[in-house]
Amino acid sequence: RKEVEQDPGPFNVPEGATVAFNCTYSNSASQSFFWYRQDCRKEPKLLMSVYSSGNEDGRFTAQLNRASQYISLLIRDSKLSDSATYLCVVNRDQTGFQKLVFGTGTRLLVSP
Amino acid sequence: NAGVTQTPKFQVLKTGQSMTLQCAQDMNHEYMSWYRQDPGMGLRLIHYSVGAGITDQGEVPNGYNVSRSTTEDFPLRLLSAAPSQTSVYFCASSRTGWGLEETQYFGPGTRLLVL
Repeated sequence: RKEVEQDPGPFNVPEGATVAFNCTYSNSASQSFFWYRQDCRKEPKLLMSVYSSGNEDGRFTAQLNRASQYISLLIRDSKLSDSATYLCVVNRDQTGFQKLVFGTGTRLLVSP
Repeated sequence: NAGVTQTPKFQVLKTGQSMTLQCAQDMNHEYMSWYRQDPGMGLRLIHYSVGAGITDQGEVPNGYNVSRSTTEDFPLRLLSAAPSQTSVYFCASSRTGWGLEETQYFGPGTRLLVL
């Protein structure tokens, strides 16, 4: 079983739609969580950190459920420019040192 | 600031050849790392460094060497390339490597094909 699992998609949605991705992680000691965005043939870039209380950044909302060990990302009012692969990332180190584990990513395609 | 830069962008090697992938950052970051990204797999950590003169192995270090003689540069060496090393390689850096929310900045990647 992979330490971080994501549905690879693709998720095909029309512009303006709301779409949600989930990610599960297996290491219960994991301390911090992130969503990264990766455009085709480009490098990953941090989209947002995921806090225990949930957090929002414009059209993006991230949630963490420690009991069930999953993380979610909700995108509202999808734009064409949201088309990308979204990587779920978990820091497994309990001391705070960066030992990031990356999911394989969920591909999103937003169409006109 | 250029951020994290990598050269070359693309490279084709024959089995057994050696090469060095270059990585540099101009943000005065202490922590630098190398990942490889393969289809169907998440990015996997090859080696990392927490400062000049200090390196350590990641998840998949076999076949790769690193050194860190300056804060800015963190080259990755393939001593004898194998087809299994065909991948996209990303270099990343962050301020210290510590902190639950410290952001990692990635370079644009090097696409390597080993024949």
